[in-house]
Amino acid sequence: AQSVSQHNHHVILSEAASLELGCNYSYGGTVNLFWYVQYPGQHLQLLLKYFSGDPLVKGIKGFEAEFIKSKFSFNLRKPSVQWSDTAEYFCAVNPRGLNTNAGKSTFGDGTTLTVKP
Amino acid sequence: DTGVSQDPRHKITKRGQNVTFRCDPISEHNRLYWYRQTLGQGPEFLTYFQNEAQLEKSRLLSDRFSAERPKGSFSTLEIQRTEQGDSAMYLCASSLEVLAGNNEQFFGPGTRLTVL
Repeated sequence: AQSVSQHNHHVILSEAASLELGCNYSYGGTVNLFWYVQYPGQHLQLLLKYFSGDPLVKGIKGFEAEFIKSKFSFNLRKPSVQWSDTAEYFCAVNPRGLNTNAGKSTFGDGTTLTVKP
Repeated sequence: DTGVSQDPRHKITKRGQNVTFRCDPISEHNRLYWYRQTLGQGPEFLTYFQNEAQLEKSRLLSDRFSAERPKGSFSTLEIQRTEQGDSAMYLCASSLEVLAGNNEQFFGPGTRLTVL
């Protein structure tokens, strides 16, 4: 079974601070990895995704994430946060391949980011 | 709009009533998923379809829950005899099964259910 752990439940930063949100997963096979953002009152939006290849992936709004296979980690980073980044962030994993579980995503419990102006 | 749509967006019901939600996936997507999200938690998998076949149901899906995708297009999720614990956001997602294994799900806006 898959599981995803997000270590930080609530992060508070000032504008222009750097951000790193931790995500570790547990799964015995090859996975696809995702970060989603949910702004207050809005639905899930994809920030970035990793399927294969270069482990450093860039997403929208200046976010990036690095897949470290040996550590089963996919941490999200942003060099300088803005007030508008205040939101909840979810890491998700799904098995890669054509088996029946492929595409079924497991999410972490989320990290609430509050950016102070 | 060619994204995933869900209807209704909000539903308030009394305990014991039945409710039904609808999801319209992206038209060419053959996989459709239902998730439930409660406050402070990430989405939890409920069930999914490949075309019209329901391939897996989570243990979270009690006998009061049933989902269908009769023609492999839209899907419905019905909850019978609702309980207060059913209050949550119900999310639908769709994806296209890709030979390379790049399975990306596209999420709808969700249906927020409140059971009084």
